[in-house]
Amino acid sequence: DGGITQSPKYLFRKEGQNVTLSCEQNLNHDAMYWYRQDPGQGLRLIYYSQIVNDFQKGDIAEGYSVSREKKESFPLTVTSAQKNPTAFYLCASKPGQMNTEAFFGQGTRLTVV
Amino acid sequence: RKEVEQDPGPFNVPEGATVAFNCTYSNSASQSFFWYRQDCRKEPKLLMSVYSSGNEDGRFTAQLNRASQYISLLIRDSKLSDSATYLCVVTRGGYNKLIFGAGTRLAVHP
Repeated sequence: DGGITQSPKYLFRKEGQNVTLSCEQNLNHDAMYWYRQDPGQGLRLIYYSQIVNDFQKGDIAEGYSVSREKKESFPLTVTSAQKNPTAFYLCASKPGQMNTEAFFGQGTRLTVV
Repeated sequence: RKEVEQDPGPFNVPEGATVAFNCTYSNSASQSFFWYRQDCRKEPKLLMSVYSSGNEDGRFTAQLNRASQYISLLIRDSKLSDSATYLCVVTRGGYNKLIFGAGTRLAVHP
């Protein structure tokens, strides 16, 4: 089955530790995205990538880093520089054409204690 | 000002009601438009794309007005299962930037 997979579903980390969230897609999509969602809030764009080895900062990139070494994979690292990392993180992918639907993974709930 | 703005919620309506959501976008370079639905603690899923000519899918009708930079979603004959958050989404730019509104929450009650 084609789809987009995020792992793990739930993640707990101690304050000050870096943590990497996984996002893999087998839909052959060019574009991939990372969003953060806080309770009762909308989705805020962290990073996005249109092609391999290229990515752009979104609206709230500070404290996060990404890589796009393979078309299928777009991991997000939440660094210790991110002041409030506890949130619901969503990864999405879509074809490169403009008028196409984006598909989401099931999300990772990160809790920093 | 946010690039994509939606009606503040929540909308509390009885079953069978008609409800309309509005969304405005500030960047005239926006190129494509969508409505997504998000259930509590789940990922967003596409409800429908929005075209200038308008489009309808069963009880749902979406409209785009490029001149006013305005998108709407109309839900007729509301069902309990329509209770969710509805997200307005625009795409723009050569890098295919995908921008979400904050969402409007709909609660349909018996």
